[in-house]
Amino acid sequence: DTEVTQTPKHLVMGMTNKKSLKCEQHMGHRAMYWYKQKAKKPPELMFVYSYEKLSINESVPSRFSPECPNSSLLNLHLHALQPEDSALYLCASSHPRAGRDTEAFFGQGTRLTVV
Amino acid sequence: KQEVTQIPAALSVPEGENLVLNCSFTDSAIYNLQWFRQDPGKGLTSLLLIQSSQREQTSGRLNASLDKSSGRSTLYIAASQPGDSATYLCAVRMAGGFKTIFGAGTRLFVKA
Repeated sequence: DTEVTQTPKHLVMGMTNKKSLKCEQHMGHRAMYWYKQKAKKPPELMFVYSYEKLSINESVPSRFSPECPNSSLLNLHLHALQPEDSALYLCASSHPRAGRDTEAFFGQGTRLTVV
Repeated sequence: KQEVTQIPAALSVPEGENLVLNCSFTDSAIYNLQWFRQDPGKGLTSLLLIQSSQREQTSGRLNASLDKSSGRSTLYIAASQPGDSATYLCAVRMAGGFKTIFGAGTRLFVKA
């Protein structure tokens, strides 16, 4: 099983809403990532969790709040978003090993539209 | 600051052609380099991973090379098919952590 599952696939939310994106993997990977991808642009790293601890926060605004409840799950809590936050949000996982890391596997993404 | 560049930005070829996609990076202190394909509106599919100590990886019709000292990687696709049409992205994992930088991608169109 090399699958990373993201839900929901599509989300439309108002600027005053609170919503959450979910990501799940059962490959035993201990690193999980959130990326943001705007149309026709490459993915940009937002957050990385390693062994359930936040390892990287790429100066992301506080209206995005990540959470890693266990080694298989990663959430992204959204609050008071702006229309410019509309994008494809991608989750990925990999497994850090001494001296090398495994390949990263990506989910299919959540298409977020902020109205 | 690491910069990753992919050339060409777009490529259109007839079916059956062999082709090469290029990826260059400015900082050679990398952990690994990974090639992905992305279909419109979809997630990324991993194609090949090359560790920094490796020179080459192969999978089916795909072959990726890495020259860390010159900051270059190539993805060779043999006997291209219409199903290969997608955007191909290279991603560089920096040494010492999880930071990953993507190139802007090459949009490939294979004509039947």
